Amino acid sequence: DTGVSQNPRHKITKRGQNVTFRCDPISEHNRLYWYRQTLGQGPEFLTYFQNEAQLEKSRLLSDRFSAERPKGSFSTLEIQRTEQGDSAMYLCASTSPLDGYTFGSGTRLTVV
Amino acid sequence: QQQVKQSPQSLIVQKGGISIINCAYENTAFDYFPWYQQFPGKGPALLIAIRPDVSEKKEGRFTISFNKSAKQFSLHIMDSQPGDSATYFCAAGAGNNRKLIWGLGTSLAVNP
Repeated sequence: DTGVSQNPRHKITKRGQNVTFRCDPISEHNRLYWYRQTLGQGPEFLTYFQNEAQLEKSRLLSDRFSAERPKGSFSTLEIQRTEQGDSAMYLCASTSPLDGYTFGSGTRLTVV
Repeated sequence: QQQVKQSPQSLIVQKGGISIINCAYENTAFDYFPWYQQFPGKGPALLIAIRPDVSEKKEGRFTISFNKSAKQFSLHIMDSQPGDSATYFCAAGAGNNRKLIWGLGTSLAVNP
């Protein structure tokens, strides 16, 4: 499989719990992006890595959010003390300098 | 402040017709303009993209028209098919990091 893989596909959690999502990018792609998408909206940029370095973080990424990309391969996005407003689709994409984005199918988070 | 404005919000087209979706941007630093197609439960998929050094790009039934002076670009879907029914997003990016700013999306329905 040469696509971007995201796990889990769906996550339901109680408010206040911590959740972690994983993204496995296309292996040749050195850039990895996290976006958040709510219903009826376009994706909103959260953060971006080039290899293992996190180069930019959006103001949307509060202190409860953290992302890592150890060894420049897969990435994780953790949300601590989840709130109902965190309910959204979390999308991961990877790209090389010459390619457009390849998105995964996303992780749909529901905070109850 | 919406940096990329997309219209219409929704569009209904008969099979075989032409679907036209428009986007306008504000930031003259944008130099990459992709269009994405998204089906329910899936991540966005790149359809076609253009850079400001050309005014038109065609790939199969999909054409981007770009007007640099007006800061507008549009997607034309020729011979629209029911399988084209999806949400379409325009986006814009600048520089090497390719962080994208997205429109709000257009829900396209192609009637058989």
